[in-house]
Amino acid sequence: ETGVTQTPRHLVMGMTNKKSLKCEQHLGHNAMYWYKQSAKKPLELMFVYNFKEQTENNSVPSRFSPECPNSSHLFLHLHTLQPEDSALYLCASSLDRVRAGANVLTFGAGSRLTVL
Amino acid sequence: SQQGEEDPQALSIQEGENATMNCSYKTSINNLQWYRQNSGRGLVHLILIRSNEREKHSGRLRVTLDTSKKSSSLLITASRAADTASYFCATVQAAGNKLTFGGGTRVLVKP
Repeated sequence: ETGVTQTPRHLVMGMTNKKSLKCEQHLGHNAMYWYKQSAKKPLELMFVYNFKEQTENNSVPSRFSPECPNSSHLFLHLHTLQPEDSALYLCASSLDRVRAGANVLTFGAGSRLTVL
Repeated sequence: SQQGEEDPQALSIQEGENATMNCSYKTSINNLQWYRQNSGRGLVHLILIRSNEREKHSGRLRVTLDTSKKSSSLLITASRAADTASYFCATVQAAGNKLTFGGGTRVLVKP
């Protein structure tokens, strides 16, 4: 247990479904991240939140919608996904995003998403 | 292209041998980090080396950094089957503090 908890661990959904991934940390961190990891591809940073404000959106399609209600919780809302969106979605947190040396990441175990 | 790129992409060794993997990057960095990922799990932070440091140790891990060559290496000594995992370097750029992961090295340690 790293201190970052992701649920669900596995999710199978159809292309018309709406589902959400949840991430929770109680490490006192102020930055939270969503990464996508597909087979044979590097880790792709999707979104960054620093002190609840979205600071980075790396051209992620609008069918992925993040939400950060507070510094401890991060959601990724999914709708009308495509089969190529099947991947391991990793949440991470760090002390903050800005200060050098403060962005050592603590990752959750990931949510394995399969889109049929 | 990526900021950090690992070499080799895959490595297979016998238990007890040393494993060495390298990371090259393109722009000036604040620090460089190494992470480990067991299959299908999240990444775990192993070690951070700052741009003004040349070598760092943590248990059986030894990391070197050569900023003139823009490269780093991770050495795992006396490897164990439990060291089987993918290892990623991540660079924190000097400008903007952006952290970027490389593609990883898959290490298989055979018992």
